[in-house]
Amino acid sequence: NAGVTQTPKFQVLKTGQSMTLQCAQDMNHEYMSWYRQDPGMGLRLIHYSVGAGITDQGEVPNGYNVSRSTTEDFPLRLLSAAPSQTSVYFCASSYGSVRNEQFFGPGTRLTVL
Amino acid sequence: GDSVTQMEGPVTLSEEAFLTINCTYTATGYPSLFWYVQYPGEGLQLLLKATKADDKGSNKGFEATYRKETTSFHLEKGSVQVSDSAVYFCALVAKRALEGGSEKLVFGKGTKLTVNP
Repeated sequence: NAGVTQTPKFQVLKTGQSMTLQCAQDMNHEYMSWYRQDPGMGLRLIHYSVGAGITDQGEVPNGYNVSRSTTEDFPLRLLSAAPSQTSVYFCASSYGSVRNEQFFGPGTRLTVL
Repeated sequence: GDSVTQMEGPVTLSEEAFLTINCTYTATGYPSLFWYVQYPGEGLQLLLKATKADDKGSNKGFEATYRKETTSFHLEKGSVQVSDSAVYFCALVAKRALEGGSEKLVFGKGTKLTVNP
C-alpha cells in the first residue's frame, strides 16, 4: 500500500494564480480531510469529507474548494492564491470517522509570492 | 469551543532524560484524546490514544493517562533517545453535542522536542 500520497511536494505561485493540490489514498478510507500547518498555529482543518459525494467546511475554508467524486481522491483547489495561503498542507484519511487513527500524507509546501 | 493547550516549546533534553509534555483540554463531555508525532520532513502519525477517563495510552515507551478531574493528558517517557526528536501534538475529538452534528479533530499548537546525544 502506498498509503496517503500528495502531489506536488513543493509549489511556488504568484498572487492570483490557481492550482490544485492532489491527495489520494489506497486504503478505502471513508473519511478524508485537509489541514494547513503554520508556525505556532498547529494544524487547522480546511475541509473534510465523510465519503464520496459529501464534503463540508472546517475551521478555515475561505479561498479553498474541494470535491470528492471517488473514495480514493480528495483534491484541494486554491481559486486565487494569496500570500496568506503560504503554508504546509497535509491531507489525511481514516477508516470510518475522525475518531479513528488519521493517516497523513507527506505534505505540500506552498509559497505564494 | 473545544480546545487543546500544550506546553510551549521548544524542549531540549539530553539522551536518557525524563520527558513530560503537558496537555490540557476544554471540551463538552468526555472527548477522545490523542498524541500525534511529526518527525522532520514527514506527516503526522498517531503515537497513542485514550477514549475514556483513566485510560492509559502507550506506545514506543511513551505513555499518557486520561485525567478527567484535571482535564489533562500529559505525555511522558522515562528515557528519551535522539530518535525521539520531533514535534508532538496533543489532539481531541469531542463527542457530538447534537444528533447529526459533525465531529472534528482539534489540535494543540505542537511542542518541538530536541534530544541531544
